[in-house]
Amino acid sequence: GNSVTQMEGPVTLSEEAFLTINCTYTATGYPSLFWYVQYPGEGLQLLLKATKADDKGSNKGFEATYRKETTSFHLEKGSVQVSDSAVYFCALKVRNRDDKIIFGKGTRLHILP
Amino acid sequence: DGGITQSPKYLFRKEGQNVTLSCEQNLNHDAMYWYRQDPGQGLRLIYYSQIVNDFQKGDIAEGYSVSREKKESFPLTVTSAQKNPTAFYLCASSDLDGQGAREQYFGPGTRLTVT
Repeated sequence: GNSVTQMEGPVTLSEEAFLTINCTYTATGYPSLFWYVQYPGEGLQLLLKATKADDKGSNKGFEATYRKETTSFHLEKGSVQVSDSAVYFCALKVRNRDDKIIFGKGTRLHILP
Repeated sequence: DGGITQSPKYLFRKEGQNVTLSCEQNLNHDAMYWYRQDPGQGLRLIYYSQIVNDFQKGDIAEGYSVSREKKESFPLTVTSAQKNPTAFYLCASSDLDGQGAREQYFGPGTRLTVT
């Protein structure tokens, strides 16, 4: 079946540190991949996406590259800010008539000033 | 502004009462979804609908019911049969295309507390 595995948190970093949150997936066919962010008490916001192998999604300094050979979609940012503190969800969607998205369990990120 | 609205943001109910959570979207999306989120957990799909007057059970539909009488509205009823209804409920919507690859857009959520 389809599934997403992401690193468990919480992840605590100092401001301006380099961030990596690992995400690997299992899917039948060729999924689209997403990273969503959830700030405290709010809904999820789409952060970035990639729809085919070797695509790089980017937004707000965050990047993730769709790696088919390693079935991975790791989230990276070169210099984090306190305002990046949130929960990050990796997700996939397989191209079929079933329109469901499969979410990882989320990784909580704390950035210390 | 296009988006998804959920109301109310906080909802309190006594055990044994049914309660309905509202979800409205003006994005002209065909598909709508309801998720449940518990502390420290990911999202679990309750129900989804790809077209008006049709909906499908998700992974945890027991104790919940929905309706889709209008394209823009997808209310969720938490019934007294739901054993642990206290949670954060998220509504989402998405466009559909031939490959079903569109992302979902989320509302701000409703936090339901049942005592």
